[in-house]
Amino acid sequence: DVKVTQSSRYLVKRTGEKVFLECVQDMDHENMFWYRQDPGLGLRLIYFSYDVKMKEKGDIPEGYSVSREKKERFSLILESASTNQTSMYLCASSRPRTGGSSYNEQFFGPGTRLTVL
Amino acid sequence: GENVEQHPSTLSVQEGDSAVIKCTYSDSASNYFPWYKQELGKRPQLIIDIRSNVGEKKDQRIAVTLNKTAKHFSLHITETQPEDSAVYFCAASIKAAGNKLTFGGGTRVLVKP
Repeated sequence: DVKVTQSSRYLVKRTGEKVFLECVQDMDHENMFWYRQDPGLGLRLIYFSYDVKMKEKGDIPEGYSVSREKKERFSLILESASTNQTSMYLCASSRPRTGGSSYNEQFFGPGTRLTVL
Repeated sequence: GENVEQHPSTLSVQEGDSAVIKCTYSDSASNYFPWYKQELGKRPQLIIDIRSNVGEKKDQRIAVTLNKTAKHFSLHITETQPEDSAVYFCAASIKAAGNKLTFGGGTRVLVKP
């Protein structure tokens, strides 16, 4: 059974603070993703990683950075939190595509609801 | 990049009735279309998916249809039950983008007993 965990369910930070959101998966998945979820906007991809020390920008990377030092752990960093980063943050992981037509389910963590005051 | 639009944003149905959610996508290179269900306070979970070489797929009370020419795909839930109440997200993936998904805005479905 795939398990994706996130370090906090709820987090309250102040404007300008540096914020770390941690995600850990225990299924040896190569792919890991960070999304933010806002009402009416669905899930928007912030960053993703296909391998250790590898990262790629998603659709809304501004104001965020990531770190992947170990295969099982993918961290999202808000260098200087702002109020418009108040949101639900979801981490996901999946196996890589192994062929031209293969796709693999993304497994999500429980989410971290971040409030920036 | 890919853009996915989802309608309606909310849907209220009577228990036993059918529910239909529609999505359109912009990039004709998209070839994989999953649907995720998120119950209140829980994480999204894959419920069904369809590939571009298939026009329809069914799994018990849920089915997905795909019209590649029109670039839209739909989720159909028949004989709705209270446990179908959730937010549903459609998504699209381009082969060249690996496992990257672009999600629609979500549909909140409420099944009234």
